[in-house]
Amino acid sequence: SQQGEEDPQALSIQEGENATMNCSYKTSINNLQWYRQNSGRGLVHLILIRSNEREKHSGRLRVTLDTSKKSSSLLITASRAADTASYFCATEGTGTASKLTFGTGTRLQVTL
Amino acid sequence: EAGVTQFPSHSVIEKGQTVTLRCDPISGHDNLYWYRRVMGKEIKFLLHFVKESKQDESGMPNNRFLAERTGGTYSTLKVQPAELEDSGVYFCASSHRGYVEQYFGPGTRLTVT
Repeated sequence: SQQGEEDPQALSIQEGENATMNCSYKTSINNLQWYRQNSGRGLVHLILIRSNEREKHSGRLRVTLDTSKKSSSLLITASRAADTASYFCATEGTGTASKLTFGTGTRLQVTL
Repeated sequence: EAGVTQFPSHSVIEKGQTVTLRCDPISGHDNLYWYRRVMGKEIKFLLHFVKESKQDESGMPNNRFLAERTGGTYSTLKVQPAELEDSGVYFCASSHRGYVEQYFGPGTRLTVT
């Protein structure tokens, strides 16, 4: 598998439901970040979790990191139609001087 | 504060032609990055500037790609000559020195026909 694979590739839920996206990576990391991309727009930084952290919250976002399994999850609670976007995880590897390695992304569709 | 801007938003060129993409980072950001996403693949790192110096250009695919950042402000990425496989979306990002959060521009969609 490639560095930063995400699962699922696409997710469709109804407004108010929770959405969970997973990310796996291969190498040692300094941190893992989640980004959102709305159609035709740039990537927006959502949240960062450092390698010595296990869980982090920001508003309706909850990120977990398991460095032993080299995996992370992003939970969006009480989803809204405006959350419809593509979500990417990105890792900053140790010794890579801030270069980000991205996953393939999860396309989230939130319907009314 | 203005965000990262990129020009053009779209470019359609023929194989063998030259294209130059421009990125204006957020004012005061020393770090500038180029990434690209080719169809169906993940976003991949191309190179990283710190001010006007190339810190890491390990992601540049070949010598048809030339990136510059004169004066440590805006950056250009030239593709010469363009090939079909160069089609994709080219993103630029910038960050403050010492900060890991990168701010991305909207990207330039390049189509080589």
